[in-house]
Amino acid sequence: EVQLVESGGDLVQPGGSLRLSCAASGFTFSAFSMNWVRQAPGKGLEWVSYISGASSTIYYAGSVKGRFTISRDNAKNSLFLQMNSLTAEDTAVYYCARERYSSGSFMFDSWGQGTLVTVSS
Amino acid sequence: QSVLTQPPSVSGAPGQRVTISCTGSSSNIGAGYDVCWYQQLPGTAPKLLIYGNSNRPSGIPDRFSGSKSDTSASLAITGLQAEDEADYYCQSYDSSLSVVVFGGGTKLTVL
Repeated sequence: EVQLVESGGDLVQPGGSLRLSCAASGFTFSAFSMNWVRQAPGKGLEWVSYISGASSTIYYAGSVKGRFTISRDNAKNSLFLQMNSLTAEDTAVYYCARERYSSGSFMFDSWGQGTLVTVSS
Repeated sequence: QSVLTQPPSVSGAPGQRVTISCTGSSSNIGAGYDVCWYQQLPGTAPKLLIYGNSNRPSGIPDRFSGSKSDTSASLAITGLQAEDEADYYCQSYDSSLSVVVFGGGTKLTVL
């Protein structure tokens, strides 16, 4: 069974940093691209970042580019998101999501339970 | 303002059929990028409902169906059940923004 478990969410002051982790199990982690998607309180979903299986390709949403860094450790089946220069607009539940391809289409087929990041003084 | 536009809410009685629209543009749905739909039950993570415009992952009931035409997509739910009450999101890719995009979400209320 595919499992994704996020951790690292916390209350942090504006301008601070936080590192999120996502522990994966139940599948060959290195074979899948992974994403971070966030959801502000009471709001919709927002894609944040993508990393390919071998970490050779990385993308960011414009709202986090230059402040967030996605990485992975395939030996430890783990995905990370280093978040710097945090602002109140970064307050959200952060989900890690596995990306899968089928019939020429990509999808986020498995999601973690999410971890809450609150940026406030 | 989301790149993909969904109605904020829809409702229907048990057993009825409802549809949720997702309107995009020539840089996303209209450009040929496929649409996925996700269901988010209260307090839980999103769950994949439809991929590739109209395909259901294993375990998703055939009461859920998706379609796509021009710059729009739709999710149809037939035989509404109380357990279908949730938020629904469409998702695609936008070539102008070079990002994955989601609709703003639609809250389904089962009356």
